[in-house]
Amino acid sequence: QVQLVQSGAEVKKPGASVKVSCKASGYTFNSYYMHWVRQAPGQGLEWMGIINPIDGTTSYAQNFQGRVTMTRDTSTTTVYMELSSLRSEDTAVYYCARNVAGGFFDYWGQGTLVTVSS
Amino acid sequence: DIVMTQSPDSLAVSLGERATINCKSSQSVLYSSNNKNYLAWYQQKSGQPPKLLFYWASTRESGVPDRFSGSGSGTDFTLTISSLQAEDVAVYYCQQYYTTPRTFGQGTKVEIK
Repeated sequence: QVQLVQSGAEVKKPGASVKVSCKASGYTFNSYYMHWVRQAPGQGLEWMGIINPIDGTTSYAQNFQGRVTMTRDTSTTTVYMELSSLRSEDTAVYYCARNVAGGFFDYWGQGTLVTVSS
Repeated sequence: DIVMTQSPDSLAVSLGERATINCKSSQSVLYSSNNKNYLAWYQQKSGQPPKLLFYWASTRESGVPDRFSGSGSGTDFTLTISSLQAEDVAVYYCQQYYTTPRTFGQGTKVEIK
């Protein structure tokens, strides 16, 4: 069965960076792009970007350009999302989500809470 | 960017009654070459990740009860729950995947009256 298992909660200080992992299993890793979506407390869903697992090419939302880096490790079928220069507004649950041909998201990770606080 | 606007922001419906959620996109998400609407619906229960309900606007994901239906085309879409059950309490989001960036509606919270 398809599973996306994310790393645990993080607490970071303003200005620091955080790297969240998402380990995929139960399907052919290279066959599906992966998205990252975040959700601030009590708020809606915000798309951050997408990574091609085959060659690692990425496309990021304008709001995160210059601060986000998405990578993948095909040997461990894991994708990563690193966000730098953290500020309090980055406090959110970060999700990875598998892209289905066409572009919608059929499986989601359980979410990783990142708290940014001094 | 395509802006997705849902209405209402919240609604309270009695058990067994119909719930209707609307979603409007700022530009058409209908791709003329294949006549498909690039619109999905997700359900998010408290403390859980979103769950896919519909894609191509009206194709029900496997396992989704048939009391849920999706409809619409172009810029106007609707998610209907024909007979609300207690387990349907959640926030519902529409999302366009016609173009990047992917964008979501602000969400509609469904509660029991």
